Amino acid sequence: AQSVTQLDSHVSVSEGTPVLLRCNYSSSYSPSLFWYVQHPNKGLQLLLKYTSAATLVKGINGFEAEFKKSETSFHLTKPSAHMSDAAEYFCVVSPWGGQNFVFGPGTRLSVLP
Amino acid sequence: DGGITQSPKYLFRKEGQNVTLSCEQNLNHDAMYWYRQDPGQGLRLIYYSQIVNDFQKGDIAEGYSVSREKKESFPLTVTSAQKNPTAFYLCASSIMVDEQFFGPGTRLTVL
Repeated sequence: AQSVTQLDSHVSVSEGTPVLLRCNYSSSYSPSLFWYVQHPNKGLQLLLKYTSAATLVKGINGFEAEFKKSETSFHLTKPSAHMSDAAEYFCVVSPWGGQNFVFGPGTRLSVLP
Repeated sequence: DGGITQSPKYLFRKEGQNVTLSCEQNLNHDAMYWYRQDPGQGLRLIYYSQIVNDFQKGDIAEGYSVSREKKESFPLTVTSAQKNPTAFYLCASSIMVDEQFFGPGTRLTVL
């Protein structure tokens, strides 16, 4: 069975400082992993995805994530936070070859001026 | 413009009424999904469909029904049997083994 843990329900950073949103997963297969962002009352937008190619994945808006199999982690980072990054972030795992997504509970990112 | 549309954006329902939420996609995706999102929680899968005229229950299907008569459309009916329907509903679609694309959502409120 697959599961996703997002270690922080809320992260607060100052504008211009680094962002780290943590995600750990469990999967019986070689998973695909995704990060999505959701702004208030909006749908989800894909930030980046890992599908067994390069372990360091670059996404949109300066975000990147590193797949570490030994640690079963897929943490999301950004070198410098912007006010527009304030949103809810979801880590998602999907078993290889399937499309059934398992969502983490989400991390709310606040960016302080 | 390719994408997923959901309508209406806001929906109000009286207790005991059935309501239908629309989801349409022009991405030519085979698979479509319905999720429910409650405040401060992740998404929970209601139903999904991998092909026309076929659909499967997700984790919380009780009180909901769907149909998939056309590839582009996957409407969700919230029936009176759903005891706590107030939530944000998200529709998504995908190619079979790739990321899911999400619509803008419908907020349903029971009066």
